Amino acid sequence: EADIYQTPRYLVIGTGKKITLECSQTMGHDKMYWYQQDPGMELHLIHYSYGVNSTEKGDLSSESTVSRIRTEHFPLTLESARPSHTSQYLCASSPNLPTRHEQFFGPGTRLTVL
Amino acid sequence: DQQVKQNSPSLSVQEGRISILNCDYTNSMFDYFLWYKKYPAEGPTFLISISSIKDKNEDGRFTVFLNKSAKHLSLHIVPSQPGDSAVYFCAASGDSWGKLQFGSGTQVVVTP
Repeated sequence: EADIYQTPRYLVIGTGKKITLECSQTMGHDKMYWYQQDPGMELHLIHYSYGVNSTEKGDLSSESTVSRIRTEHFPLTLESARPSHTSQYLCASSPNLPTRHEQFFGPGTRLTVL
Repeated sequence: DQQVKQNSPSLSVQEGRISILNCDYTNSMFDYFLWYKKYPAEGPTFLISISSIKDKNEDGRFTVFLNKSAKHLSLHIVPSQPGDSAVYFCAASGDSWGKLQFGSGTQVVVTP
């Protein structure tokens, strides 16, 4: 079973604040991902990484940024939160297997910006 | 443009009966397909996957069928149990990097 952790689980914050959503995994997976999901909608990929010092923007444009300094850690930062950033943020990781693409998800962070 | 579509937002089924969830895709480059289950306030949990070289994969109560010519896949759950009540997402991958495209999900409610 995958061990991937996200903190905080819930965050309510005011407009203009800087926030960092934490994501860590203990499986040694090279690939990590951030998704954004609103109720009743699909998951949208906003960032991904294939290893240390590798980060790419996903299909959905996002004002957030990410870093990958250590294999196990993939934090997401919003410099100035806005109400439009209210959403659920899901972190995932997967091993580097060319023939299988299962991703393992953390529990998510529910962000509300007032 | 959404490349993976789940056209049924909800499904209600009696306990013990079969649940059939459907998913359509438009990108012919997709070669790997997955189903995830999601409870409220939790992350998605991987259920079952299928490669495009197969047309069926079975794991316990879960079976996924792939019809490449129709660009359609389905998930069968039999027998359905109350704990199966959740949102089910279909996902597809078409590149070696493993990026996934998700459908919008189907809410399954299993009634006693």
